[in-house]
Amino acid sequence: DSGVTQTPKHLITATGQRVTLRCSPRSGDLSVYWYQQSLDQGLQFLIQYYNGEERAKGNILERFSAQQFPDLHSELNLSSLELGDSALYFCASSVMGLSSEQYFGPGTRLTVT
Amino acid sequence: KNEVEQSPQNLTAQEGEFITINCSYSVGISALHWLQQHPGGGIVSLFMLSSGKKKHGRLIATINIQEKHSSLHITASHPRDSAVYICAVGGGGADGLTFGKGTHLIIQP
Repeated sequence: DSGVTQTPKHLITATGQRVTLRCSPRSGDLSVYWYQQSLDQGLQFLIQYYNGEERAKGNILERFSAQQFPDLHSELNLSSLELGDSALYFCASSVMGLSSEQYFGPGTRLTVT
Repeated sequence: KNEVEQSPQNLTAQEGEFITINCSYSVGISALHWLQQHPGGGIVSLFMLSSGKKKHGRLIATINIQEKHSSLHITASHPRDSAVYICAVGGGGADGLTFGKGTHLIIQP
């Protein structure tokens, strides 16, 4: 158990809908990262927050947004969903930035039908 | 943009064999991560390296910064080592981690 929690574990929704994925980092970790894993693209970095502020952005679509709250939990919002958004979404946390070890949550499997 | 290449893509070995998985990258980095992903999907961080060598139990990871290359070794392999092993690099001007495509390892009893 990494200490990082993600909810829900599974999510099935229809095209055009909006969903929110939630992540709680390990106690004491200030950085939260979001990653997408799909069969064709593999693992891709989406976005990083550090202590409530956006720190880095990767291949995140404009339809996707994220935030980190004062209690350090984070939410990833996916809107106008398309079939291609079906993937595993992982959250990870670390004490600091990229030079710190990252601890991964169990992931949320999103299926868009 | 950093390009991360892993080899081999697939590896099947017998229990007890010494396993080596390689990772090379194109741009200087601040750290390299080795991750393990089991069929259930969960990802576990095995090592984070910025230089030299690290060892945890039967796992050893090395990195050569000059050659931009890292290896993950598994000694006395066991069927429970069967998983996908993923190399990821951070830094080098990129935001976030850049991942290799992974090595699918199967250890047969």
